Amino acid sequence: AQSVTQLGSHVSVSEGALVLLRCNYSSSVPPYLFWYVQYPNQGLQLLLKYTTGATLVKGINGFEAEFKKSETSFHLTKPSAHMSDAAEYFCAVQGTGSNYKLTFGKGTLLTVNP
Amino acid sequence: GAGVSQSPSNKVTEKGKDVELRCDPISGHTALYWYRQSLGQGLEFLIYFQGNSAPDKSGLPSDRFSAERTGGSVSTLTIQRTQQEDSAVYLCASSPLGGGADTQYFGPGTRLTVL
Repeated sequence: AQSVTQLGSHVSVSEGALVLLRCNYSSSVPPYLFWYVQYPNQGLQLLLKYTTGATLVKGINGFEAEFKKSETSFHLTKPSAHMSDAAEYFCAVQGTGSNYKLTFGKGTLLTVNP
Repeated sequence: GAGVSQSPSNKVTEKGKDVELRCDPISGHTALYWYRQSLGQGLEFLIYFQGNSAPDKSGLPSDRFSAERTGGSVSTLTIQRTQQEDSAVYLCASSPLGGGADTQYFGPGTRLTVL
């Protein structure tokens, strides 16, 4: 069974500071990994995904994530936080075989302080 | 182009009543997923459609929950005899093929409140 652990249900940073949101996964096969963002009262929007190839993945809004197989991690970073980044972030691993459902972490709420 | 749409956006119902939630996927997407988002359980998978077939219904929490998809497009999630624990946001997603690494595009969700 696949699972995702997001360390820190709430992360608070100052505007302009580094954003680091942590995600560790468990998967018996090479995983496909995703980060989604959810703004209040909205659905999930894809930030970036890792499938194969380059382990450093760049996404929208200046976010990037690095797949580290040895650490089973897929942490999300952004060099400089903006007020508009305040939202909830979800890491997910995709199923394989006949069902490609997403298994999500519990989410990390990012607060950006002026 | 148009994204995934869901209706209604909000639904308040009384315990014991039946509700229907609708999902219109992105045109041409063959795969459709329903998820549920609640405070206690986070985001949970409910059911997956490939075309009109549902190969995996393993996430449906009880036999009060059912879903169908017609014409390879619109899907309806039905909850019979609603209970307070059914209160949650129900999210629908679609993807082009349903295969590995296929991006799932989410709708805005339906917030269900059972009184």
